[in-house]
Amino acid sequence: EAEVAQSPRYKITEKSQAVAFWCDPISGHATLYWYRQILGQGPELLVQFQDESVVDDSQLPKDRFSAERLKGVDSTLKIQPAELGDSAMYLCASSPRGPSYNEQFFGPGTRLTVL
Amino acid sequence: DQQVKQNSPSLSVQEGRISILNCDYTNSMFDYFLWYKKYPAEGPTFLISISSIKDKNEDGRFTVFLNKSAKHLSLHIVPSQPGDSAVYFCAAATGANNLFFGTGTRLTVIP
Repeated sequence: EAEVAQSPRYKITEKSQAVAFWCDPISGHATLYWYRQILGQGPELLVQFQDESVVDDSQLPKDRFSAERLKGVDSTLKIQPAELGDSAMYLCASSPRGPSYNEQFFGPGTRLTVL
Repeated sequence: DQQVKQNSPSLSVQEGRISILNCDYTNSMFDYFLWYKKYPAEGPTFLISISSIKDKNEDGRFTVFLNKSAKHLSLHIVPSQPGDSAVYFCAAATGANNLFFGTGTRLTVIP
């Protein structure tokens, strides 16, 4: 069964360092999402791509976060510099193109701990 | 501002009984609602959905009810099984693929 792949699964870093997360969506899925889930809360959308274009990055802290999906397939989310408040689970999801497909398929996530 | 709310952080149910998880929303523009289940160390997995043109959708042991006038939906699991123990997230969308999630309810099914 096709799955969304994410790496690394866990990342521990010190504040002010740079971190990067990678996501490979399900083959053929045009839409890719990055979510942040703080402990005890639901996932919150950071950025949404349609193919290689950013559709929504209104909740992305652009002073320190960046995301790209250069070839419209896999994607990288970067934080530089990391802050203590960035400790969270970072989830990637993908969905097929089409307005009727609201079901998003999630990867296992990257748990980030900033010390 | 939390547009989707799950006011019960946890719920314990005896195996074989019914589990009822509740969700409220504030945005009347939401037209599609979903429930996701999440096990520890895994990403959420889609469970069941309902369009705003319906008031009930059933899939096996899982049924979702939507009350648009009250801006409320619920997930019923009958009968509950120990393997159903997980965190359940309610989510809502405006049809543009953007999901707004609730804070989750941790369900524990006691054998």
